Amino acid sequence: NAGVTQTPKFQVLKTGQSMTLQCAQDMNHEYMSWYRQDPGMGLRLIHYSVGAGITDQGEVPNGYNVSRSTTEDFPLRLLSAAPSQTSVYFCASSRQGKTSPLHFGNGTRLTVT
Amino acid sequence: EDKVVQSPLSLVVHEGDTVTLNCSYEVTNFRSLLWYKQEKKAPTFLFMLTSSGIEKKSGRLSSILDKKELFSILNITATQTGDSAIYLCAVGYQTGANNLFFGTGTRLTVIP
Repeated sequence: NAGVTQTPKFQVLKTGQSMTLQCAQDMNHEYMSWYRQDPGMGLRLIHYSVGAGITDQGEVPNGYNVSRSTTEDFPLRLLSAAPSQTSVYFCASSRQGKTSPLHFGNGTRLTVT
Repeated sequence: EDKVVQSPLSLVVHEGDTVTLNCSYEVTNFRSLLWYKQEKKAPTFLFMLTSSGIEKKSGRLSSILDKKELFSILNITATQTGDSAIYLCAVGYQTGANNLFFGTGTRLTVIP
């Protein structure tokens, strides 16, 4: 059972480039989300989804797009990378319902130069 | 404005010590409070608390929630070097989605 799998583990981009961070889970979880973690700040919610075909914005959505065409996959797209998007990105999933904790992937460390 | 505040920011103890980590919150539509342990990679789940006064326990770790005073504590007894990590407190705040609002964490270092 792989859990939540994120690729790539590391990425370096130049300002203005675009890329997609991949996230897949094999636990049949309805809920999936993306967080970014920056030094001195808590994890902040970027986008989330409560099921296939449904997405919504979190606390810091600007500069990112998401889609949810299947239950398993929830990719995060950076449209035009900026240095302010240098961060560690975590994907998380859970069953729906307030008693279900989030399961996190191992993260993607992104540097934008 | 929603906020989750953890204290202390960092803590250094010797093996065998007992530590108490604090988490206070001001969040509209509170649903649950969770504790995670983060070593080098993904945060790993420790506890979820939804009711006041009921202690959750797992080995040397325990946690309790006070919904009247809006805080939670995480206790670790007989600390070991493997307990060295960042401990994250998070609050679930949204009906219909498991979104979490995180504190900045407490960095615990256990010295042999």
